[in-house]
Amino acid sequence: AQKITQTQPGMFVQEKEAVTLDCTYDTSDQSYGLFWYKQPSSGEMIFLIYQGSYDEQNATEGRYSLNFQKARKSANLVISASQLGDSAMYFCAMRGLTGGGNKLTFGTGTQLKVEL
Amino acid sequence: EPEVTQTPSHQVTQMGQEVILRCVPISNHLYFYWYRQILGQKVEFLVSFYNNEISEKSEIFDDQFSVERPDGSNFTLKIRSTKLEDSAMYFCASSRGPAYGYTFGSGTRLTVV
Repeated sequence: AQKITQTQPGMFVQEKEAVTLDCTYDTSDQSYGLFWYKQPSSGEMIFLIYQGSYDEQNATEGRYSLNFQKARKSANLVISASQLGDSAMYFCAMRGLTGGGNKLTFGTGTQLKVEL
Repeated sequence: EPEVTQTPSHQVTQMGQEVILRCVPISNHLYFYWYRQILGQKVEFLVSFYNNEISEKSEIFDDQFSVERPDGSNFTLKIRSTKLEDSAMYFCASSRGPAYGYTFGSGTRLTVV
């Protein structure tokens, strides 16, 4: 079984500042993938970034980076230079790649508000 | 960029009625999924579909739910007799395979009254 924990129900950040959204996970799978999705108020799920458990380098996609600490089982999302359009719900999710099925398991999400 | 298309975007139905939610996955994807998100809550897995059959389903996916890929392009979720608690956003997603990312559709907001 897989479990994702996001302990920050809400976060505030000032425009142009960096923000870290926390995510910890638990799994018995040796090989797995970690994802972050953004859900704006319009409701769609937008893929942001992916980290494989055997990737040696932290994933980066533009202003998004994933701070992957395997020993701590954490996969925090870092958003640099926050913009007003970053205000949204952010979900961390994982999928086992060996015998854990194909489904994504989601955390409860963090609501991010970017302020002027 | 290829996308997953879901129709309708909103559906209101009376309790006890049958609804069919439709999805067109990305054409070269092989794995298809339905997820549900009750308002203000986390996204929950319903079912995965591969090679024309269900590969995994959750406890939520009981006998009132069914999925079908009727014509090689559409992927549908049927709820036979809707209940008030079925009100949620339903997301379809597709993937090339386990080592690849998912692409989600924009969702169907189902309201049961």
